[in-house]
Amino acid sequence: AQSVTQLDSHVSVSEGTPVLLRCNYSSSYSPSLFWYVQHPNKGLQLLLKYTSAATLVKGINGFEAEFKKSETSFHLTKPSAHMSDAAEYFCVVSDWNTGNQFYFGTGTSLTVIP
Amino acid sequence: DAGVIQSPRHEVTEMGQEVTLRCKPISGHDYLFWYRQTMMRGLELLIYFNNNVPIDDSGMPEDRFSAKMPNASFSTLKIQPSEPRDSAVYFCASSSGFTGNTIYFGEGSWLTVV
Repeated sequence: AQSVTQLDSHVSVSEGTPVLLRCNYSSSYSPSLFWYVQHPNKGLQLLLKYTSAATLVKGINGFEAEFKKSETSFHLTKPSAHMSDAAEYFCVVSDWNTGNQFYFGTGTSLTVIP
Repeated sequence: DAGVIQSPRHEVTEMGQEVTLRCKPISGHDYLFWYRQTMMRGLELLIYFNNNVPIDDSGMPEDRFSAKMPNASFSTLKIQPSEPRDSAVYFCASSSGFTGNTIYFGEGSWLTVV
């Protein structure tokens, strides 16, 4: 069965410092993995996705994530946080073999301190 | 390209009234999802369709909720009668059921039942 665990419900960083949002997944097959961002009062926007190509995936706004099969992890990083990065972030796993269902983590709220 | 379009964006209604939320998926997408988001419960999958056919409605909270997809470009989520505990943001999303699928979200319908 597929599942996603976001290890931190809240992360707080200072502007200009690195961001690390952690995600572990469970999947019986070869999964597709995604990160979405939700700014206040907005919908969910795709940041990046992994679909069995390069293990280091680059997304929008300077974010990237690395797929580590041995650790079943897909952590999201950014070298330098910006105030506009303050938002909720969701890690998502999907597997076409299980009927195109998407499994969402519970979200990580990122606060950026000026 | 137009994304997933939802209407209304905001609705305030009185308890007991019927509420209809509408969604136009991205053209060519064969999967459509309805999600509900609240502070208490996070993001919940209510129902999803494949080629206009409901596949899994196990997330629909109770008989007051119903969803239809009469054609590939339109879906509705209806609540009748509405209750204050239905207050939430309702997201529609769509995806294409091919390899590398990505789920795209609308901006959400913000429902308040008073």
